[in-house]
Amino acid sequence: DIQMTQSPSSLSASVGDRVTITCRASQTISRSLNWYQQKPGKAPKLLIYAASSLQSGVPFRFSGSGSGTDFTLTISSLQPEDFATYYCQQTYSAPTFGQGTKLQIK
Amino acid sequence: QVQLQESGPGLVKPSETLSLTCTVSGGSVSSESYYWSWIRQPPGKGLEWIGYIYHSGRTKYSPSLKSRGTVLVDTTRNQFSLKLTSMTAADTAVYYCARVLAVAVDYFDYWGQGTLVTVSS
Repeated sequence: DIQMTQSPSSLSASVGDRVTITCRASQTISRSLNWYQQKPGKAPKLLIYAASSLQSGVPFRFSGSGSGTDFTLTISSLQPEDFATYYCQQTYSAPTFGQGTKLQIK
Repeated sequence: QVQLQESGPGLVKPSETLSLTCTVSGGSVSSESYYWSWIRQPPGKGLEWIGYIYHSGRTKYSPSLKSRGTVLVDTTRNQFSLKLTSMTAADTAVYYCARVLAVAVDYFDYWGQGTLVTVSS
């Protein structure tokens, strides 16, 4: 299995802040990396696919970058609805997810 | 608008087999553009992929399941299903069904709301 490691595991930030979450793969995965947002009691929602492609309907304040083993998800200006848990997921081989990053209000 | 809805028992006894069904509306499980997947999430923990079924009927499973899982598709009912044998407390989780779109990469673009399955005697 390809292991995905996210950092940080939790993060406190304020509305309007710029936030970056990192995801590292245990081996190279090219750009086969997706990002999801999950709110309590809800299913995950796709934000970014193929490392940097924004899913239709997702606000432009979300962006992704990276290739190989290191990836980032950036939220340019946090909005109240962005406080949630974020997961990266590799699709280079049998899918695996990162452990999640919980974004909390400071 | 594509919608997926899981159904099945909320409680399963240890050693029994779990059977879940995902009903798809607004799209066809026969479409060659997509395939269909199960993912689970133990309470308070992260996401774990269980398996896929392709439109051809070919399947792929997570090695961590140790051959306990089977995903089937029923095109007449526009459903796909999961059977997981030899259930233990470690299988207690919210089970999600999801659609997979394969373009540059594969990704889960639509998800069901999830169904909680508890393994307990």
